[in-house]
Amino acid sequence: GPKVLQIPSHQIIDMGQMVTLNCDPVSNHLYFYWYKQILGQQMEFLVNFYNGKVMEKSKLFKDQFSVERPDGSYFTLKIQPTALEDSAVYFCASSFGDNTGQLYFGEGSKLTVL
Amino acid sequence: QQQVRQSPQSLTVWEGETAILNCSYENSAFDYFPWYQQFPGEGPALLIAIRSVSDKKEDGRFTIFFNKREKKLSLHITDSQPGDSATYFCAASGGSNAKLTFGKGTKLSVKS
Repeated sequence: GPKVLQIPSHQIIDMGQMVTLNCDPVSNHLYFYWYKQILGQQMEFLVNFYNGKVMEKSKLFKDQFSVERPDGSYFTLKIQPTALEDSAVYFCASSFGDNTGQLYFGEGSKLTVL
Repeated sequence: QQQVRQSPQSLTVWEGETAILNCSYENSAFDYFPWYQQFPGEGPALLIAIRSVSDKKEDGRFTIFFNKREKKLSLHITDSQPGDSATYFCAASGGSNAKLTFGKGTKLSVKS
């Protein structure tokens, strides 16, 4: 099936540093999402993105977070500065339409903040 | 406020038995309900989904039963196999926004 690729698969950084998580969504998809998962528990919505803009963001999407997709390249999640509570697995997802509901997820980027 | 609830938190069945995973929701605007299967270290993968206009959706050994009036649905896995051991997430979305709201998941173990 369609694949969403995420880079890196695992990153360890010191608190206060910046991190960028990269996502290569399914090629013809137009809507992009980031979710946060801690310890294999609930998937928490962070943000969704369409046509170069953030459509909706949750309370978990702190001011230190930002997303962009410059010129159709990677869809990125940047955290600057990082905090201990940002340690989690971040999943990127994409979908073709805004009401089909069918999201395809990547394998996740595990972030460890020390 | 938990908009999508799942039970049980964990479930163990024997190979060949039927596993029943439950889900309920609060938001009447939800009209699309996918179930995702997640293995450790992997991303969630869409397993089966139902829209609120239907009360049943079947795909092989996996069946969703949906009760719109009670805002409840369940995933039945018949002839459970050890390879079905995973965490299953019920999710919901509605209106013009495909954003999915997830439940906390049910961890299924199938013993042989």
